[in-house]
Amino acid sequence: DIQMTQSPSSLSASVGDRVTITCQASQSISSYLNWYQQKPEKAPKLLIYAASSLQSGVPSRFNGSGSGTDFTLTISSLQPEDFATYYCQQSYNTLLYTFGQGTKLEIK
Amino acid sequence: EVQLLESGGGLVQPGGSLRLSCAASGFTFSSNAMSWVRQAPGKGLEWVSGISGRGGSTYYADSVKGRFTISRDNSKNTLYLQMNSLRAEDTAVYYCGRRSMTTVTTARDNYYYYYMDVWGKGTTVTVSS
Repeated sequence: DIQMTQSPSSLSASVGDRVTITCQASQSISSYLNWYQQKPEKAPKLLIYAASSLQSGVPSRFNGSGSGTDFTLTISSLQPEDFATYYCQQSYNTLLYTFGQGTKLEIK
Repeated sequence: EVQLLESGGGLVQPGGSLRLSCAASGFTFSSNAMSWVRQAPGKGLEWVSGISGRGGSTYYADSVKGRFTISRDNSKNTLYLQMNSLRAEDTAVYYCGRRSMTTVTTARDNYYYYYMDVWGKGTTVTVSS
């Protein structure tokens, strides 16, 4: 099975900051990598698919990059509504879509 | 409006069974593969199971293989998860999600990128005596 490892596990930042979250796959997954945002007591929301494609309706301050085993999610200027937990997910294996352990983004 | 609505969660004793349902609306249900994802209290997301659009292919996480069965009834636009031999560690919020696809065509090949773009609100399963 493909393992996904995110870092950091938690992160404190201020409104207006630029933040980067990383995700590493245990084997090459090309660009089969998605990013989700989850707020407390809510379902996850798709932000980025295919490593760098922005889902419709998602603000352009969210940017995804990477291929192979190393990926990043960057938020260019944090807004109050961005404080949440972020998960990466590989979609390389047919319908066996494992998630990273999550990165909790908190207000400093 | 595209929507998924889970139901069937509840309190069950260890070793018991439960069947979750996910009712879909607003899209052609049979055109999309579907998945179940769970989240234990205070923990991250765990992909549990997936099924192809016509139901012919199913996939399971090792943690539930042999105990859970995913199925779908395309005539009723409904996804199911039959959960048997439940354990305390199965306690979680269970979400259903729609898998969508984007195709990227290059000079060499077509590439199919999959992602879960629609999610239900979740149903809570508690396994406890």
